[in-house]
Amino acid sequence: QQQVKQSPQSLIVQKGGISIINCAYENTAFDYFPWYQQFPGKGPALLIAIRPDVSEKKEGRFTISFNKSAKQFSLHIMDSQPGDSATYFCAASMTDSNYQLIWGAGTKLIIKP
Amino acid sequence: NAGVTQTPKFQVLKTGQSMTLQCAQDMNHNSMYWYRQDPGMGLRLIYYSASEGTTDKGEVPNGYNVSRLNKREFSLRLESAAPSQTSVYFCASSPGRGNYGYTFGSGTRLTVV
Repeated sequence: QQQVKQSPQSLIVQKGGISIINCAYENTAFDYFPWYQQFPGKGPALLIAIRPDVSEKKEGRFTISFNKSAKQFSLHIMDSQPGDSATYFCAASMTDSNYQLIWGAGTKLIIKP
Repeated sequence: NAGVTQTPKFQVLKTGQSMTLQCAQDMNHNSMYWYRQDPGMGLRLIYYSASEGTTDKGEVPNGYNVSRLNKREFSLRLESAAPSQTSVYFCASSPGRGNYGYTFGSGTRLTVV
């Protein structure tokens, strides 16, 4: 019940296209859902995050869509660029967990020029 | 600000050797974490420290020990290294209660031969 399931494992998108990465969870106590971006040789960096009281959050070309009833959330990257090529991790946390993040397995995104 | 600093960046150990991975943060964060990252396995929590003076086991603590030396520093020790501990190790910190944003270091790539 603590798992966060992320798909796909890898994704290839043409430049200018929309990249979509999905995550699903079981534990309804989760109340914070971040996405992290990791470039090769670097640590993950917080990209965007959402709480379950909103259904969508947009920051530039990056949007989180959240479906509370389906227990799913997704990252959409609009107008994908080669510089977006990275590994993306979704995660979830809840207030009573000492703020530990439960991580998805990651998605390696490649944007083709 | 340097953020989260990890040393060393690379290390090769022989089976049975011991070593300590160092981590320091300069953001006055309360919580600190040690993760390992293996291909296809995502990020797995080894140990964490919710606040200065406390440490707790994560998902994969066997073979490791930690010390929260002060609010800034959180070290990870391998007492008797094994090939299964070959991995990339990341230290992270977060403000703690009420703020979930993690800041990661750039990682230590450890090979045990």
